[in-house]
Parts: sequence; C-alpha cells; structure tokens
Amino acid sequence: NAGVMQNPRHLVRRRGQEARLRCSPMKGHSHVYWYRQLPEEGLKFMVYLQKENIIDESGMPKERFSAEFPKEGPSILRIQQVVRGDSAAYFCASSPDGTGGFGEQFFGPGTRLTVL
Amino acid sequence: EDQVTQSPEALRLQEGESSSLNCSYTVSGLRGLFWYRQDPGKGPEFLFTLYSAGEEKEKERLKATLTKKESFLHITAPKPEDSATYLCAVTNFNKFYFGSGTKLNVKP
Repeated sequence: NAGVMQNPRHLVRRRGQEARLRCSPMKGHSHVYWYRQLPEEGLKFMVYLQKENIIDESGMPKERFSAEFPKEGPSILRIQQVVRGDSAAYFCASSPDGTGGFGEQFFGPGTRLTVL
Repeated sequence: EDQVTQSPEALRLQEGESSSLNCSYTVSGLRGLFWYRQDPGKGPEFLFTLYSAGEEKEKERLKATLTKKESFLHITAPKPEDSATYLCAVTNFNKFYFGSGTKLNVKP
C-alpha cells in the first residue's frame, strides 16, 4: 500500500504567480488534511476535506488560498498571487475511512514552496 | 482554550542516557493522542496512538504512556539515530491539535 504522495516535492514561484500543490491519499483513506510548517516551527492546520466536501477550513487564510478534493483525482491546495510569506513546507495527511476522519494521520513527504 | 504543550523544546542526551518527553493537553473530550517522529526535511512519521488513561504502547526503545492530563514518551538507552523532532497531537473528534514538538539530539 503506497503511502501518501505529494507533488511536486519542491516548487519555486515568483511573487504574483500561482502555486498548485497535489496530494494523493493512501488507499482506503478519504479524509485529507493540509498543514503548513515554517522552519523550526510546528505544524499549522489549514484545511480538512473529504471527497467533494470541505469539512473545516478554519485554518485557511481568507484570501488567495483554496483547497479541493474532487471525486476523482488528488486533493489540490491552490495559492494564488503568491507572496514571500507563503514560502514554507506544506504537508498533506490522510486518515482511514473507518475512523470518521479522526484516527491516526499519515503524512506525505511535503512540498517545499519557495517564493522569489 | 484547547491546546497541546510539549516540553522541553529541545533535549540533548548522551547515547544510552534514558529520558522522557512530555505532552500536556487541555483539550476537552480527548478521543485520541498521537505521537509522531519528524526528521529534517521529511513528513511526520506515525509512532503511536493512545486512547485512554493508563494505556501504554511500546516500540523498540520508545514507550508512550497516557494519563488524564498528559502523555510521556520514554526513550530508553537512546542511540544517535533516535535524533529527531517528536510531535504530539490530540483529537476530540472535532479537531486535531498539534504541539510544537521536542527536538531530541542524541550524541554518540
């Protein structure tokens, strides 16, 4: 069973461009979480999604950030008009279906976004 | 306020020197507590889940315990390869709450 997959692993964008981060959860997992981590800091919750639904987006900035998890395909975190402050590691985690979304989370390797 | 606090922030040990990491929480309605290990530049790796006070889990040199207010991650005779940041997370089936982690450095 493949683990959580994220791509790209590294992404470089210039200010004002768009960044798209993809996450494929583990097989049998339909709950996806996105986190942001700055160097030497903890994980900051951004959004919790199930297939075709946003369950909790209380950690998402109100502007420029959006997330989706379509019926088919990976979950996508989209950042429009990136600024230098968006530079961080973005981690995706998935949780097994039988736990109601609140069982142990399994993390992907992360996408490191650098905004020039 | 619901929160998770980990201490110490950083810990330096000599190889073989046993110690414990602490995770205290004020989250109401605890439904699960999780420990993770994170190496630099990588995603957190799941270690343990604890569900109720008195529960214990072991894996190699690591042992996790849980009380009603806190959890401990005991490291017995650590080796340099145990160096990492250890994260604690709590869920009340409404949200997940992560601590800021303890950065462990084990010197040979």
